[in-house]
Amino acid sequence: DIQMTQSPSSLSASVGDRVTITCQASQDISNYLNWYQHKPGKAPKLLIYDASNLGAGVPSRFSGSGSGTDFTLTISSLQPEDIATYYCQQYDNLPLTFGGGTKVEIK
Amino acid sequence: QLQLQESGPGLVKPSETLSLTCSVSGGSISSRNYYWGWIRQPPGKGLEWIGTIFYSGSTYYNPSLKSRVTISVDTSKNQFSLKLNSMTAADTAVYYCARLGDGVVVAATQAFDYWGQGTLVTVSS
Repeated sequence: DIQMTQSPSSLSASVGDRVTITCQASQDISNYLNWYQHKPGKAPKLLIYDASNLGAGVPSRFSGSGSGTDFTLTISSLQPEDIATYYCQQYDNLPLTFGGGTKVEIK
Repeated sequence: QLQLQESGPGLVKPSETLSLTCSVSGGSISSRNYYWGWIRQPPGKGLEWIGTIFYSGSTYYNPSLKSRVTISVDTSKNQFSLKLNSMTAADTAVYYCARLGDGVVVAATQAFDYWGQGTLVTVSS
């Protein structure tokens, strides 16, 4: 199985801050990576697909980059509504696997 | 707007079989560009892919659960279902159903783009 390692596991930042979350794959997955935002009690929401493409209706302050084994999700200016846990997910190989998640809080 | 809704018991006894159904509305489960999947999240833990099915009935399961899982589809009802047998406390989780594109056409990205709200399943006697 391809292991997805996210860091940090949690972070606290101020409104307006630039936030960066990283995801590392245990092997080369090209750009076969998605990012999801998950708020408590809600369904996860697709943010980024194919490593760098913005999902439908996703604000432009979210962006994704990377290829191979190292990927990044960036929130250019953190907003209160961005409080959530963020997950990366690879689809290069079955089984589909997710990262452990990064919980984002407001300082 | 596509909508998915999970249904099933919230409480299952140890050793019994969990049965969940995902009803799809606003779109056809028989679309040739999409798969339909189940994902779960144990309390305080991350997301785990359980398995995926195509409208034709082709299935793909997580090897960690393969011996206990069956996913099926009923195109006449626009539904797909999950059965997980020999349930234990470790299977306590919120179970989600979701749509997964096949990546063949641009619009059908290989991501879970629509999700149900999730249903909490607790395993307890």
